Amino acid sequence: GENVEQHPSTLSVQEGDSAVIKCTYSDSASNYFPWYKQELGKGPQLIIDIRSNVGEKKDQRIAVTLNKTAKHFSLHITETQPEDSAVYFCAASRYEKLTFGTGTRLTIIP
Amino acid sequence: NAGVTQTPKFQVLKTGQSMTLQCAQDMNHNSMYWYRQDPGMGLRLIYYSASEGTTDKGEVPNGYNVSRLNKREFSLRLESAAPSQTSVYFCASSDPGADTEAFFGQGTRLTVV
Repeated sequence: GENVEQHPSTLSVQEGDSAVIKCTYSDSASNYFPWYKQELGKGPQLIIDIRSNVGEKKDQRIAVTLNKTAKHFSLHITETQPEDSAVYFCAASRYEKLTFGTGTRLTIIP
Repeated sequence: NAGVTQTPKFQVLKTGQSMTLQCAQDMNHNSMYWYRQDPGMGLRLIYYSASEGTTDKGEVPNGYNVSRLNKREFSLRLESAAPSQTSVYFCASSDPGADTEAFFGQGTRLTVV
């Protein structure tokens, strides 16, 4: 089955700086790669996703890049703000079953 | 539009007790999922249902049963709770055929003592 590794497990950045979270996956047939943000006491919420026919996708301060050859994808958050503090999960899927990474706790330092 | 609703939000069980976690979605999604979340381990799939009347095992199905009651509802049952089942449980739904994202409920925090 699919295996997703996520790094780092914790990340602290100064407000206004950029944050990068990286994931690798094992199943070359996976074709959908979402990123979820989870705030304390809540369920995960999708923030951005990318499909295998695209190399990069951007939505305001958030971007995701995908390297299918190397089987890795990354989340980039620019101009970080206090409300970006949360746990972020990457995931990979071939059709409907999502396999999640172990999460990154991002802390934005004012 | 409520999305995915889980009940209860919190539950404490004694070892050996049984209980059912309820999940309902109002987005007309075909697929529904149960995940558990443990510290340092991300979300792991317990069971999923690709459509009404079908269920399949995920990564960690032992100790659980599920029922897809209709298109809206997908329940998770613990027949004899064990301390190892202490976790936060999330229900999710999606419509892969329509390329929709997975929407998650707010979670059920279960403690087995």
